[in-house]
Amino acid sequence: AQSVAQPEDQVNVAEGNPLTVKCTYSVSGNPYLFWYVQYPNRGLQFLLKYITGDNLVKGSYGFEAEFNKSQTSFHLKKPSALVSDSALYFCAVRDYSGYALNFGKGTSLLVTP
Amino acid sequence: EAGVVQSPRYKIIEKKQPVAFWCNPISGHNTLYWYLQNLGQGPELLIRYENEEAVDDSQLPKDRFSAERLKGVDSTLKIQPAELGDSAVYLCASSLEQNTDTQYFGPGTRLTVL
Repeated sequence: AQSVAQPEDQVNVAEGNPLTVKCTYSVSGNPYLFWYVQYPNRGLQFLLKYITGDNLVKGSYGFEAEFNKSQTSFHLKKPSALVSDSALYFCAVRDYSGYALNFGKGTSLLVTP
Repeated sequence: EAGVVQSPRYKIIEKKQPVAFWCNPISGHNTLYWYLQNLGQGPELLIRYENEEAVDDSQLPKDRFSAERLKGVDSTLKIQPAELGDSAVYLCASSLEQNTDTQYFGPGTRLTVL
């Protein structure tokens, strides 16, 4: 089965600094990878996805992610963090067998002023 | 464009009681998903619909859970009877097609079983 791992439960970064939220994947074949963000008491909001093509994917709210096949990683990045970026971030991979998304456990991002 | 709509947003019930959740997907989206999200975890698929057909319900606990998607639009997820361990957030998502397309999520229903 396709799976992802988010090795960090929490990431802390100062406002204005670059941020990285890590995700590694385990798939057979080509991965379809996604990042979602969840604010308190809200559903998941789509940020970006990698299907094929350019390894650097640009998404919503200034976020981007780099697909690295040799390291089986799909880290989420932003050049300059905002306090409003504080939320729970989920990496996901599409399951070939059923088309569902298999999510990681999530990483809590805290951006301090 | 309206997003995925879910109701109620919150529900508190006693154990052994029935409960139902409703989802209205984005207009034109043929694929509908119900996910379960436990506290501190990522969502996990319960059931997937293609139009009105449930094409993947392997993770749905069929002894107490049921779902329907009449006319291939709105969907209802039901639990009867509810157990303490069912306390979680129930998320509905929809996508235009089932393959590589993006899934868009509703705000979820937070269920508390006392």
